[in-house]
Amino acid sequence: AQRVTQPEKLLSVFKGAPVELKCNYSYSGSPELFWYVQYSRQRLQLLLRHISRESIKGFTADLNKGETSFHLKKPFAQEEDSAMYYCALKRAGGTSYGKLTFGQGTILTVHP
Amino acid sequence: SAVISQKPSRDICQRGTSLTIQCQVDSQVTMMFWYRQQPGQSLTLIATANQGSEATYESGFVIDKFPISRPNLTFSTLTVSNMSPEDSSIYLCSVSRGDTQYFGPGTRLTVL
Repeated sequence: AQRVTQPEKLLSVFKGAPVELKCNYSYSGSPELFWYVQYSRQRLQLLLRHISRESIKGFTADLNKGETSFHLKKPFAQEEDSAMYYCALKRAGGTSYGKLTFGQGTILTVHP
Repeated sequence: SAVISQKPSRDICQRGTSLTIQCQVDSQVTMMFWYRQQPGQSLTLIATANQGSEATYESGFVIDKFPISRPNLTFSTLTVSNMSPEDSSIYLCSVSRGDTQYFGPGTRLTVL
């Protein structure tokens, strides 16, 4: 069975400091991994996906298959980054296609 | 992208009653997903609703408790039956469009 673990429920940093939100996964197949974000009073939305290897709002995430990790990083946090962040794994194949397994979420607070 | 609306946005219900949540998508989709987000916990997939066939439920969720309808390619309903306080949660509708999963604003349910 697949599992996504975000070990930190809460993470606080000061503006301008680097931030890293941890995500580890277990999955027997080839994983597709995503970071979703939910800002206050807004709906859950996609932040980035590992396939596209993109940087969104200064955030990057690298899939490390050896360590089964997909940590989210930003070199200089901004106050507007304060939100709930979810790491998610997409199951592939058969009747599981498209279904997401979410981690527990990390609440990031960036202080001024 | 996909624009998803849900009704109601929130409700307070009495124990033993049922509530039907509606989900409307702005364009046709094959699969619609229903998630639950319990207080302080992650998102958990309840079931996948396919047009023209029975919904498929995840482990721990059954049709008698969470009946789902999918009358066409843009609409689905989830009913929470015979509610108890443990059903207090946010219920989210979701669709896939390519690699991206889009979420509705959620229905916040409180059961007294």
